[in-house]
Amino acid sequence: GEDVEQSLFLSVREGDSSVINCTYTDSSSTYLYWYKQEPGAGLQLLTYIFSNMDMKQDQRLTVLLNKKDKHLSLRIADTQTGDSAIYFCAERYSSASKIIFGSGTRLSIRP
Amino acid sequence: DTGVSQDPRHKITKRGQNVTFRCDPISEHNRLYWYRQTLGQGPEFLTYFQNEAQLEKSRLLSDRFSAERPKGSFSTLEIQRTEQGDSAMYLCASSAIQGTGNTIYFGEGSWLTVV
Repeated sequence: GEDVEQSLFLSVREGDSSVINCTYTDSSSTYLYWYKQEPGAGLQLLTYIFSNMDMKQDQRLTVLLNKKDKHLSLRIADTQTGDSAIYFCAERYSSASKIIFGSGTRLSIRP
Repeated sequence: DTGVSQDPRHKITKRGQNVTFRCDPISEHNRLYWYRQTLGQGPEFLTYFQNEAQLEKSRLLSDRFSAERPKGSFSTLEIQRTEQGDSAMYLCASSAIQGTGNTIYFGEGSWLTVV
């Protein structure tokens, strides 16, 4: 079945790295995504990774995929106050199918 | 602005009234998606179009909900006889078929409050 799970909250100190974790159940998922949502706003696509990749880096963002354990993580280096938001992990079976979202992880930054 | 556009951004309606939301996808994006998001939850899939064809509908899409994309460009989502449980943000998204089809871009959402 389709299910994506994330922890609900994460608090980090400004300047530290944030690591947001996600597990998914559909081993057929081809694409895995990270979206960011700020209060009252829509979803901003941060990055995505193909299931045949282990890692993808994009500036301060690093995505790690452990396909065997169906575990995805998003690392944000040098976390800033502007990174405060809800981060959604999502999976997609193919480019012709819908995206299934987790419940989101609320990232808060403390000084 | 070439992003996904949704209108209205906010709607307050009385229970029992009908409401309609409009989505204009990114130009030349063939696929269009509707999602619903309630407070504290992730977006839930409602329905999906490829061009004008509605290819998939969620069980969440009760018979009070109808979505159309008559010319394969903009789409409308209508909710008839609204109920308080319909209060949510309705998100529209679009993607291409080729090239950047791996990426789905979302609009800013339409907030619905049913009183």
